[in-house]
Amino acid sequence: KAGVTQTPRYLIKTRGQQVTLSCSPISGHRSVSWYQQTPGQGLQFLFEYFSETQRNKGNFPGRFSGRQFSNSRSEMNVSTLELGDSALYLCASSPQLAAEQFFGPGTRLTVL
Amino acid sequence: DQQVKQNSPSLSVQEGRISILNCDYTNSMFDYFLWYKKYPAEGPTFLISISSIKDKNEDGRFTVFLNKSAKHLSLHIVPSQPGDSAVYFCALPPRGANRDDKIIFGKGTRLHILP
Repeated sequence: KAGVTQTPRYLIKTRGQQVTLSCSPISGHRSVSWYQQTPGQGLQFLFEYFSETQRNKGNFPGRFSGRQFSNSRSEMNVSTLELGDSALYLCASSPQLAAEQFFGPGTRLTVL
Repeated sequence: DQQVKQNSPSLSVQEGRISILNCDYTNSMFDYFLWYKKYPAEGPTFLISISSIKDKNEDGRFTVFLNKSAKHLSLHIVPSQPGDSAVYFCALPPRGANRDDKIIFGKGTRLHILP
């Protein structure tokens, strides 16, 4: 069974731009969560989607948004990028809410 | 307020010796804990877990100890190997006293295994 895939793996943007990251969960998994990892803050929860609905949201500004499609694939969008948005963005899938999560390799975003 | 705390951002250990990574938690009702290992540019992978009905769980070179009275758990790696160099996260799964429907992670401890 293929694991969680994320595209792109690396991305460089400039301040003020917007970015869209993509995540394909493990086949059959319906829940997708997004996390931001920075050296100082560790892993911080962004949001979770289940059956195309946002079920949980972390403490991030409205510039961070996401969606989930009917095939469970998910996208995360960050608008008006700031230097502090430079981080590794991780996607995790699970078969249902509140179940064990399997992580993808992440997308390394650098904002210049 | 952090519900799981890893107070050591980094740790260096000689190859072959024991590595001890620590984690404290705030709620005595938490009853299940996870450890994840993460290499650079990769997602975290599950390493080992422990339930509060035990005070120790062992899997090969990895042992997790739980001290419920102190609200403290630790991960022991014996003997430490170069491939153990990674960031280790203590985490609470989304169940029980963790009312959030998501895993709650500590900030992680970066382990360096020295040759």
